[in-house]
Amino acid sequence: DAGVTQSPTHLIKTRGQQVTLRCSPKSGHDTVSWYQQALGQGPQFIFQYYEEEERQRGNFPDRFSGHQFPNYSSELNVNALLLGDSALYLCASSVMDREWGTEAFFGQGTRLTVV
Amino acid sequence: GQNIDQPTEMTATEGAIVQINCTYQTSGFNGLFWYQQHAGEAPTFLSYNVLDGLEEKGRFSSFLSRSKGYSYLLLKELQMKDSASYLCAVRSTDSWGKLQFGAGTQVVVTP
Repeated sequence: DAGVTQSPTHLIKTRGQQVTLRCSPKSGHDTVSWYQQALGQGPQFIFQYYEEEERQRGNFPDRFSGHQFPNYSSELNVNALLLGDSALYLCASSVMDREWGTEAFFGQGTRLTVV
Repeated sequence: GQNIDQPTEMTATEGAIVQINCTYQTSGFNGLFWYQQHAGEAPTFLSYNVLDGLEEKGRFSSFLSRSKGYSYLLLKELQMKDSASYLCAVRSTDSWGKLQFGAGTQVVVTP
């Protein structure tokens, strides 16, 4: 079992550009949540996808959007990148009808640097 | 909203015990989680408390008092590999699947 996989692992983008990050959930998981973790901070919830729909959203602007595919994999898109978007982006997968948290697994993350 | 507070850094000696405190304020508490995160790596689940009391898992124990909005993570028989950031996170009843994390406590284990 490969667990939760994210790609790419590192990325450098220029201010104003757009970026797409990808996540493949753990086998058997159907729910994907995205978090942003700035250096020295805890992860901040961006949004959650289940059945190809955004189910919950954190306090992030519309520049942050996502998608979930029929195979449960997910993408996070960020438009008009700002320097402040530089962070580690984490994907967590789980099963919707199970106790979230005890069976949620995080990927290694994508380190995004905006210059 | 939710406020989660935990110390920024703690240092302890190999073989010792360290207690990481976490206080929180939330509407509709529905579980508290502890994660371990090594630098550059994913957070890994350590423990979960939803009822008052102590949960023990090997060298790690976690305690919860809902009336006080307080939890602690106890790390016993510290090993060098325990040097990491420890994240306290709270789930509320109106946000299933969403965790609110504290900033993390960096634990440094010295020889």
